[in-house]
Amino acid sequence: AQSVTQLGSHVSVSEGALVLLRCNYSSSVPPYLFWYVQYPNQGLQLLLKYTTGATLVKGINGFEAEFKKSETSFHLTKPSAHMSDAAEYFCAVSVSGNQFYFGTGTSLTVIP
Amino acid sequence: DTGVSQDPRHKITKRGQNVTFRCDPISEHNRLYWYRQTLGQGPEFLTYFQNEAQLEKSRLLSDRFSAERPKGSFSTLEIQRTEQGDSAMYLCASSLGLAELPTDTQYFGPGTRLTVL
Repeated sequence: AQSVTQLGSHVSVSEGALVLLRCNYSSSVPPYLFWYVQYPNQGLQLLLKYTTGATLVKGINGFEAEFKKSETSFHLTKPSAHMSDAAEYFCAVSVSGNQFYFGTGTSLTVIP
Repeated sequence: DTGVSQDPRHKITKRGQNVTFRCDPISEHNRLYWYRQTLGQGPEFLTYFQNEAQLEKSRLLSDRFSAERPKGSFSTLEIQRTEQGDSAMYLCASSLGLAELPTDTQYFGPGTRLTVL
């Protein structure tokens, strides 16, 4: 069975500081991994995804994530937080491509 | 804007009533997905359509739930005899459907928030 664990339901960072949102997955087969962002009253938006190939994936808005098979992790980072990054972030895993398993989400607060 | 739209955005109903939600995907998107999201949780997959064919259903989709996509365009999700445990945000997503599934980006609608009293 596949599952995703997001460590830290709430993360606060200062504006300009590094953003690190953690995601660990469980999968018996090579997974496909995703990060989505959800702004208030809006739908989920894909930030980035790992399917195959390069393990460092760059996404929109300056975010990137690295697939580390040995650590079963897919942590999301951004070098410098911006106020507009405040949102809910979800990590998701899929092995079949049509069923996605989402984590419980991490709420990011950016402190001015 | 031609994103995924959902109607209604909010629905309050009494236990035992039937409700129906509508999802209009992005034009020309062949795949359509329904998810449920409860407070403090991530979205949970419910079902998935390729054009008008319902190809997969989660065990979360009890007999009281039914989804249709009759002409391969918009979709409806009906919940019969609603229970308080059905209170959640119901999300719809669509994708082009031309690529292998994992590389096929899903675009989400804003959701329909259901409250069952």
